[in-house]
Amino acid sequence: QSVLTQAPSASGTPGQRVTISCSGSSSNIGRNAVNWYQQLPGTAPKLLIYSNNQRPSGVPDRFSGSKSGTSASLAISGLQSEDEADYYCAAWDGSLDGWVFGGGTKLTVL
Amino acid sequence: QVQLQESGPGLVKPSETLSLLCAVSGYSISSGYYWGWIRQPPGKGLEWIGSIYHSGRTYHNLSLKSRVTISVDTSKNQFSLNLSSVTAADTAVYYCSRSGNWDFWGQGTLVTVSS
Repeated sequence: QSVLTQAPSASGTPGQRVTISCSGSSSNIGRNAVNWYQQLPGTAPKLLIYSNNQRPSGVPDRFSGSKSGTSASLAISGLQSEDEADYYCAAWDGSLDGWVFGGGTKLTVL
Repeated sequence: QVQLQESGPGLVKPSETLSLLCAVSGYSISSGYYWGWIRQPPGKGLEWIGSIYHSGRTYHNLSLKSRVTISVDTSKNQFSLNLSSVTAADTAVYYCSRSGNWDFWGQGTLVTVSS
C-alpha cells in the first residue's frame, strides 16, 4: 500500500491529452514539492517533472505538472506511442521523515 | 554528466546481508546533495530505502530502518548499501540515485534472495 495514491492504469489515443493524478496528505504533497518520473520497460526511472511543475532540460513541453492542496497531476498533451510507460509521483513526507512514492500508473497508448 | 553505477552480488541467501556499491562519476559527492537507494520488486512500484549526505548524515525508510546501513566514501566518490537479514521479499531491482529530485539514476541491479 503506497502512501501516495495513483490509479493503476490510464489510456489514450495518439494526439490526445491525458492526465495522471496523485493523491496524498498534508504531511507530503500538502506541504512539499512533487516530482514525476517516467519509467520505460526495462529501464531506470527518468525525472520528468520536479518541484510540482518544472521540466528538466530535454523533457518536451508536452509534459506538464500541477499541484493543488494534497493532490498533484501530470498532464501529457499530444500523446505519442513512445509515451507508453509507467509514471510515478513522489514527495518528501514530513511525518515519516522520508520519501514516498505513488504506486505507479501504467499508461497505454491505444 | 552525472553517472551512477551499481555493483554487487546478484544472488543473496536468506538471512544474509545484501551489500551494494554505487560509484559516482561526473560529480563529486563532497560537493553536495544527498545520495540514495531505491528498490523495485519485480512487477511492482518504487520504494525509497534511504539517503546519505557526504557528511554521513542519513535518512532511512522507517519500515526498513533496523536492517539498513548506508555509508559514504568521499575519497572514492561512492556510497554503499547494506541490508541485513534478507528474505525473499527483498528481491528487487536496486537503484542508486542522486537524491533531492532523484535526477540521475544508475541502471539498476537485480538482487535475488534465494537459497
